[in-house]
Amino acid sequence: KQEVTQIPAALSVPEGENLVLNCSFTDSAIYNLQWFRQDPGKGLTSLLLIQSSQREQTSGRLNASLDKSSGRSTLYIAASQPGDSATYLCAVETSGSRLTFGEGTQLTVNP
Amino acid sequence: DVKVTQSSRYLVKRTGEKVFLECVQDMDHENMFWYRQDPGLGLRLIYFSYDVKMKEKGDIPEGYSVSREKKERFSLILESASTNQTSMYLCASSQDILPEAFFGQGTRLTVV
Repeated sequence: KQEVTQIPAALSVPEGENLVLNCSFTDSAIYNLQWFRQDPGKGLTSLLLIQSSQREQTSGRLNASLDKSSGRSTLYIAASQPGDSATYLCAVETSGSRLTFGEGTQLTVNP
Repeated sequence: DVKVTQSSRYLVKRTGEKVFLECVQDMDHENMFWYRQDPGLGLRLIYFSYDVKMKEKGDIPEGYSVSREKKERFSLILESASTNQTSMYLCASSQDILPEAFFGQGTRLTVV
């Protein structure tokens, strides 16, 4: 059974810092990996999708990498801002479009 | 932009009531999903559907059923609501070609 772990569970940084969020998964037979953002009490917003044949994706200040063989992904956030404060979730797709989620990293960026 | 809309942001229901949660997507996506999210347990898949009138059990289907009569609409049904079904419910959709999942804004259900 696929298991997804995110470390750290919570992170507090000063504004302007570059930071890395980690995601690991136990079964490397994935179709893709997706990073989401969730604000308190809201739904999930898709940030980046990395297909299994890709090694990274970039969107603005966000860069996500995927190392399928080692079962790891990282989300890099450059020049963090208070508006980046949210919970960040990673999810892997295995069979049948099903996603398995990690429990998330709660990020606080302090002004 | 893809839009996934859930019919209610907040619901309060009584134990034993039949509860309907509605989800509509506007991008002709084949796949639709219902998750619940609980502190310490993360997101767990309840049911999903690949096409109209098709449904598949997820990891925690007990106490729930679903209906997909039209491609754009996927309903989650709590046959007899119980307090342990108090949770945040999230609907999502995706397409087969590029399986990026898009989520609705969530429904916070409280069963009293």
